Amino acid sequence: AQSVAQPEDQVNVAEGNPLTVKCTYSVSGNPYLFWYVQYPNRGLQFLLKYITGDNLVKGSYGFEAEFNKSQTSFHPKKPSALVSDSALYFCAAYSLYGNNRLAFGKGNQVVVIP
Amino acid sequence: NAGVTQTPKFQVLKTGQSMTLQCAQDMNHEYMSWYRQDPGMGLRLIHYSVGAGITDQGEVPNGYNVSRSTTEDFPLRLLSAAPSQTSVYFCASSYSPGGGTDTQYFGPGTRLTVL
Repeated sequence: AQSVAQPEDQVNVAEGNPLTVKCTYSVSGNPYLFWYVQYPNRGLQFLLKYITGDNLVKGSYGFEAEFNKSQTSFHPKKPSALVSDSALYFCAAYSLYGNNRLAFGKGNQVVVIP
Repeated sequence: NAGVTQTPKFQVLKTGQSMTLQCAQDMNHEYMSWYRQDPGMGLRLIHYSVGAGITDQGEVPNGYNVSRSTTEDFPLRLLSAAPSQTSVYFCASSYSPGGGTDTQYFGPGTRLTVL
């Protein structure tokens, strides 16, 4: 079955510094990879995804991520963090050869310090 | 276009009570699912549906029932509430019936406390 690892529980970054959130995955076959962001007391919102094609994808809120098949990673990056980027970030993975379930990671709490 | 709606937003139950969490979407999506979110555990799939009349179990189905009589609605029933079911519940939908091949649209969540 597919699985996702988000190794850091919390990421602290100063406003204006680069922000990276990390995710590695394990699936059979080609992965479908997603990132969602949850602002306080809100539902999850789509951030970006990799399905096929160009390894570099652009998403919402100024994020972009590079799909790295050899390292089984998909890390969203933003060149200059804003205080409004403070939120809970979830990585998710799916495979057509899995158990028909979208597997979510445990989440990364991002705190942008003014 | 309201997207995915959930009711109620908050609910407090006593152990042993039953209730239904409502979920509706107006995007004509085939795939609908229920997740629970617990601190440090991410989102765990409870039940899902790939179309009207078709449902299946997810990762943590015990204590919950679902049905899908229409494309729009996917209610989640707690049969006999237990404190372990205290959680935040999210309903999600996507256009593709493949489940994880498409962007998921999430509702605002229901915060449930079982005393």
